[in-house]
Amino acid sequence: EPEVTQTPSHQVTQMGQEVILRCVPISNHLYFYWYRQILGQKVEFLVSFYNNEISEKSEIFDDQFSVERPDGSNFTLKIRSTKLEDSAMYFCASRGKNIQYFGAGTRLSVL
Amino acid sequence: AQSVSQHNHHVILSEAASLELGCNYSYGGTVNLFWYVQYPGQHLQLLLKYFSGDPLVKGIKGFEAEFIKSKFSFNLRKPSVQWSDTAEYFCADPDSGTYKYIFGTGTRLKVLA
Repeated sequence: EPEVTQTPSHQVTQMGQEVILRCVPISNHLYFYWYRQILGQKVEFLVSFYNNEISEKSEIFDDQFSVERPDGSNFTLKIRSTKLEDSAMYFCASRGKNIQYFGAGTRLSVL
Repeated sequence: AQSVSQHNHHVILSEAASLELGCNYSYGGTVNLFWYVQYPGQHLQLLLKYFSGDPLVKGIKGFEAEFIKSKFSFNLRKPSVQWSDTAEYFCADPDSGTYKYIFGTGTRLKVLA
């Protein structure tokens, strides 16, 4: 069964550093999403992406965040200057036939 | 605003016990509902989905869920749980626009052998 893959599985960074989280969606899917889950809290929507542009973003997705699909296969989430409160599990998803398929997530730890 | 509520945050059961996890959604239009499971260290996997038709939907691993429109509910059930069902369970309702998922808070299920 096709899978969404995310790398790295765990990223440790210092506050103020830039991080890039990578995702490879399922190849024939056109809609992509990023979600995050802070420890002990619910999974929250960050951003949706379609046709090489953001289709919706949440209040969490401020100017420190950006997404791109640089090469037609990878889908990346960049955090320009990480804050302690960015520590969370970040999930990528791609959608096909109205079902979202999720990656295993990247655990981001900001020190 | 659209919301999803899961009332049980932590559930502990013995093997062979029956399971019911509650999920209530707020949206009153077209309904697509999902249950996902996350085993430790793994990705969110689709357990089952409801789009339309028979309100009792069957999923993988013996799980089923019943859509009750009048109660805005989509509760997950399993007649007899196994130790391997230990996981976190999420109910999700897509937004009608970009189809982003609105998730419930999740339920951590621990099954004792």
